[in-house]
Amino acid sequence: DVKVTQSSRYLVKRTGEKVFLECVQDMDHENMFWYRQDPGLGLRLIYFSYDVKMKEKGDIPEGYSVSREKKERFSLILESASTNQTSMYLCASSSPRTFQETQYFGPGTRLLVL
Amino acid sequence: DQQVKQNSPSLSVQEGRISILNCDYTNSMFDYFLWYKKYPAEGPTFLISISSIKDKNEDGRFTVFLNKSAKHLSLHIVPSQPGDSAVYFCAATKAAGNKLTFGGGTRVLVKP
Repeated sequence: DVKVTQSSRYLVKRTGEKVFLECVQDMDHENMFWYRQDPGLGLRLIYFSYDVKMKEKGDIPEGYSVSREKKERFSLILESASTNQTSMYLCASSSPRTFQETQYFGPGTRLLVL
Repeated sequence: DQQVKQNSPSLSVQEGRISILNCDYTNSMFDYFLWYKKYPAEGPTFLISISSIKDKNEDGRFTVFLNKSAKHLSLHIVPSQPGDSAVYFCAATKAAGNKLTFGGGTRVLVKP
């Protein structure tokens, strides 16, 4: 059974704090993604990675960075959290060998920035 | 500029009836389309997909229709069941890449 896990389900942080969101997948997938989900806006891509130590900006990378030191782990970093980064964060992984382009998602981390 | 749009934020339907969810896109380079289903407190899960070489794909109670000329796709759920109550996201991609562009989602409520 495929699995994508995220380090926290809920987080509360203060404005200006550095925040780390961790994602681990056990499917040996090359591709990993970070999205944020906001009402009415759907899922918006923040960053993605096609391989270890590689990263690509998504549609809304401002205020975020990522790290992929190992194939199974993809971290999202908020260098200085702001209230407009309060959101649901979803990690996903996929394999380029799968034509269906199906992405497997973690359960999400709901982040509240006060 | 949203390249994938779901214009109905919510839909309520009686159990046993048909649910029709709509999705429009603007980027003519998209040639693969997917629907994901999301329950509260869970990540989205893949439901059904369609390639641009087809105009229909069916999987059990779920059928996706694609109208390329109108840049429109729809998801039909027949018959609708209470367990189908969830948020449904339409997504699109170019075949050469693996980056998905999602719509805003439609919340479906199936009433018993």
